[in-house]
Amino acid sequence: EIVLTQSPATLSLSPGERATLSCRASQSVSTYLAWYQQKPGQAPRLLIYDASNRATGIPARFSGSGSGTDFTLTISSLEPDDFAVYYCQQRNNWPLMYTFGQGTKLEIK
Amino acid sequence: QITLKESGPTLVKPTQTLTLTCTFSGFSFSTIGVGVGWIRQPPGKALEWLALIHWDDDKRYRPSLKNRLTITKDTSKKQVVLTMTNVDPVDTATYYCVHRKMKLDSRGYYSVHHAFDFWGQGAMVAVSS
Repeated sequence: EIVLTQSPATLSLSPGERATLSCRASQSVSTYLAWYQQKPGQAPRLLIYDASNRATGIPARFSGSGSGTDFTLTISSLEPDDFAVYYCQQRNNWPLMYTFGQGTKLEIK
Repeated sequence: QITLKESGPTLVKPTQTLTLTCTFSGFSFSTIGVGVGWIRQPPGKALEWLALIHWDDDKRYRPSLKNRLTITKDTSKKQVVLTMTNVDPVDTATYYCVHRKMKLDSRGYYSVHHAFDFWGQGAMVAVSS
């Protein structure tokens, strides 16, 4: 089973700053990586799929990059609404299954 | 517009069987590539994928829970059902029904993308005696 490790566990930044979140896979996942945002009491929201494609309605300040084992979610200029928990997720080819990272909490400094 | 909604018990006793139903709209299992799954999240913890059922009735399960899970679909009712046998307090979680992302290309064909673009609101299930 492929393991996803997210870092840091907690990121403290101020509105307007740039956020860089990391997700590392224990083996190559090609570009089968997605990013989600989750706010308290809400279901997760898909932000990025296939490593770098923004989902419908996601603002341009969110971008994803990477391939193989190392991936990054970047938020270019934080807005107050962006403070939440972020998860990465990958697809394992065989057996087909999906795994999530343990999450990065983005908090207001 | 795609919507999904989970329903089921809020409290289950240990060793019992949990049955959750997902009722959806805005898509159909008659479309090649459609997949609907279940993901859970224990309180304060990370997300955990459980199972997925495809348009052609192919089913996939989390290996560590495979012996306890069954996923089925009722195409006419637009429902997906997840059953989990022999529940334990560690199964206490919010259970989400999800739609796997598909994209229509310029040729009119759907491509599957292994991410979940629509989520239900979640069903909180507690396992306790």
